[in-house]
Amino acid sequence: DADVTQTPRNRITKTGKRIMLECSQTKGHDRMYWYRQDPGLGLRLIYYSFDVKDINKGEISDGYSVSRQAQAKFSLSLESAIPNQTALYFCATSDLGGLNEQFFGPGTRLTVL
Amino acid sequence: EDQVTQSPEALRLQEGESSSLNCSYTVSGLRGLFWYRQDPGKGPEFLFTLYSAGEEKEKERLKATLTKKESFLHITAPKPEDSATYLCAVEEGTSYDKVIFGPGTSLSVIP
Repeated sequence: DADVTQTPRNRITKTGKRIMLECSQTKGHDRMYWYRQDPGLGLRLIYYSFDVKDINKGEISDGYSVSRQAQAKFSLSLESAIPNQTALYFCATSDLGGLNEQFFGPGTRLTVL
Repeated sequence: EDQVTQSPEALRLQEGESSSLNCSYTVSGLRGLFWYRQDPGKGPEFLFTLYSAGEEKEKERLKATLTKKESFLHITAPKPEDSATYLCAVEEGTSYDKVIFGPGTSLSVIP
């Protein structure tokens, strides 16, 4: 079984809809991250969390919110989706302490019409 | 401004034709540099961590090296299955161990 899983893998939605992307991990890592990837722009950090009570904004947090329900679960919400949020979204985890080597989930392809 | 750049943007090689990918970085206080492989539609897969200038790491046909300003990923006698996008990322010594990803190099190896 995969160490980092994401659901759904693909989602098509309409402008204005609320969307939640979920991430679960079995690696036992404390740090969890949400990124979006767009062609030519690379990976950009949306939010990150170092434990259940710790939530921090990344470089592009506007229009997004997150919830850390447990050490193993980190969800990303788009409260009112817009077309420029169409992208590939990745969850990642890393161990606390030592270098920040991150391990990624398979991604969610989100299309906002 | 902290940044990571990669070149070339895309590289097309014949099978067996060795080459190198470049990752250049400008950060304050490098803690480590990472290389990832990403196949289309999949999440990045961790390959290497380099900690200090002069360090080298190898895995099959890949060898990563690090200097004070850049890293190279050398690919020796590549095979078609090496085709992927290779991402470089740098961890700087800020309060939350910030990682900055480069845009990637798309490698195609033609049989």
